[in-house]
Amino acid sequence: QKEVEQNSGPLSVPEGAIASLNCTYSDRVSQSFFWYRQYSGKSPELIMSIYSNGDKEDGRFTAQLNKASQYVSLLIRDSQPSDSATYLCAVNGGNKLVFGAGTILRVKS
Amino acid sequence: DTEVTQTPKHLVMGMTNKKSLKCEQHMGHRAMYWYKQKAKKPPELMFVYSYEKLSINESVPSRFSPECPNSSLLNLHLHALQPEDSALYLCASSPRDAGGANEKLFFGSGTQLSVL
Repeated sequence: QKEVEQNSGPLSVPEGAIASLNCTYSDRVSQSFFWYRQYSGKSPELIMSIYSNGDKEDGRFTAQLNKASQYVSLLIRDSQPSDSATYLCAVNGGNKLVFGAGTILRVKS
Repeated sequence: DTEVTQTPKHLVMGMTNKKSLKCEQHMGHRAMYWYKQKAKKPPELMFVYSYEKLSINESVPSRFSPECPNSSLLNLHLHALQPEDSALYLCASSPRDAGGANEKLFFGSGTQLSVL
């Protein structure tokens, strides 16, 4: 059973701080990794994808991948109240995407 | 146009009803998906269509019947559902074949289904 693990949170950070969200996965052959943001009552929205070890930056978001440790993270700089949502880590190691249970992020103004 | 459109947004049905959920995308994506999501849980994969052919069925009960009339449309036919089937049903599409290494999903807004 391929697993993707996330701390359910909630993770609370003050406005302007860096939010750090973490994810581990069990399948060593996983090749592609994604972060989705889901606001309450809405559908998931893709915000980052990463395929190689290292960092990938897009605006205030940075995804980090360490395949040796089977670990992927998402950093959100200058967190805003509008970033408050559930962040889903998703891993594709074969013929389908496996989602983690998500981390609830709360940004306090 | 980067949208996946789902209808209806809300649906209430009895256990003896037959209803259908509809999904449409015009991004030229060749893989389309149905997911089910319960409150505070991650999306669970139900079906995958690749090039209009069913490629994955995650052992979904036969009271759920998918259909892909063409590359832009995906339906989910519902019959004799149970109250525990109440959930948010999400359609998604991706620009590559299902199972490709770069499977970016674009989700529709979902249908919130309540079975009475």
